[in-house]
This record gives sequence, structure tokens and C-alpha cells, in this order.
Amino acid sequence: GAVVSQHPSRVICKSGTSVKIECRSLDFQATTMFWYRQFPKQSLMLMATSNEGSKATYEQGVEKDKFLINHASLTLSTLTVTSAHPEDSSFYICSARDGLREQYFGPGTRLTVT
Amino acid sequence: AQTVTQSQPEMSVQEAETVTLSCTYDTSESDYYLFWYKQPPSRQMILVIRQEAYKQQNATENRFSVNFQKAAKSFSLKISDSQLGDAAMYFCASDPPGGGSEKLVFGKGTKLTVNP
Repeated sequence: GAVVSQHPSRVICKSGTSVKIECRSLDFQATTMFWYRQFPKQSLMLMATSNEGSKATYEQGVEKDKFLINHASLTLSTLTVTSAHPEDSSFYICSARDGLREQYFGPGTRLTVT
Repeated sequence: AQTVTQSQPEMSVQEAETVTLSCTYDTSESDYYLFWYKQPPSRQMILVIRQEAYKQQNATENRFSVNFQKAAKSFSLKISDSQLGDAAMYFCASDPPGGGSEKLVFGKGTKLTVNP
């Protein structure tokens, strides 16, 4: 099946700094990528839908100025957590959609803000 | 809005036995896809099986099969000959139509424990 990578897999940053997470579709082009957040023992919460070449669509309650999403190419989307705070600590997962309505998930990024 | 409900927060099964995980959904659409995803402790989401709503035949992937009841809006997952590696969180999800950026709607998940 198709492969989606995420980098980094783990990141620790200090409060007030920004951190960027990359999501790449390795062997297919993805016009749409999705960013999720997952708290421990909970389901995935969709944060935003990222379309190549256009602005991301954010879900209700997600601060677009805090979680910056850029989908610069058909194989790369980035999520930047700006001015991170401890409450932003979480597991972030991206997925990429192929032309057959199937989503492939990245392995996730564990963000810890100290 | 579409909703997906998994009523079993936790389930357990003996190795080699069969277990069924429940999922119901609510949609006004006639064309949609349904999925079961597995999330093991590594937290990598893995597609287990998918069902297209317009297909009456239940999807099957080796030991995994679904019981899709469209009128009842039910989509259960049956795991046969359970193995220790099947232990994971299982999420039911739907993909409503819309053309383009369809987004998955997930249930809250069922934690499956496989006992040796």
C-alpha cells in the first residue's frame, strides 16, 4: 500500500517556541491531506483539511493562527504549532488521500512542550 | 452531520476464538464508504477493511469480515481465529460523499484485548 511519512516522530520543545511537523506521501500524489490530534485513549480529532495550493480548512474550535498548515506540493504538507504551550502536547497524525477515496496515515508525531 | 458510534469501549477474546466489534452510523447519504482501522500500541493507523455502501456483498479480508446492514446503519467487524497481534484499538469510520475533500468521521474506538 501507499506510504506516508511524518517527521519528526518525537519532538520536545520549550514553551513559547514553534515547531514544524512534516507529512509526506512517498509514492503517490495527494491533493488532500488531513491533520489529526489524538489525546491518550481517545479517538482521532480532525484539526484541518489541507489542499495543495490553497488555504487549509480548519475544523470548528481549531485556531488557525496557532496551527499553521501549508500544503506546498502534492507530496508535502506541514503543520507548524506556533508559540507552543504545554496544553499543545499531544500526538499529531497526518493522512494523505489518494484518488480512490482511501486515506493513508503517517506514523504520528509526539509533541511534548515543556 | 454524519456520526459514528462504537458502543463497546473494551472487548476481550481468547486466542483462536472469534470476536465481533459493533459500529453504527447515522447518515442521510446513499453513497458512502465505511472503514475499520486498527491502531496497535505503535499508534500507526492501519486500514483493516473497507466497504462501499452501494455494494450489498460484505467485504472480507482474510480473517476479517464485516456485517454491513445498510437499512439498520450497522457495520460490525468480525475477527476470526484471533491472534495476539490483533490486540489494538479498533476505530470504525465513515467517509461521506462530497466530491474532493471528504473527511473521515471516526467512532470513539474499541480496545481489543486478546488473551493467550
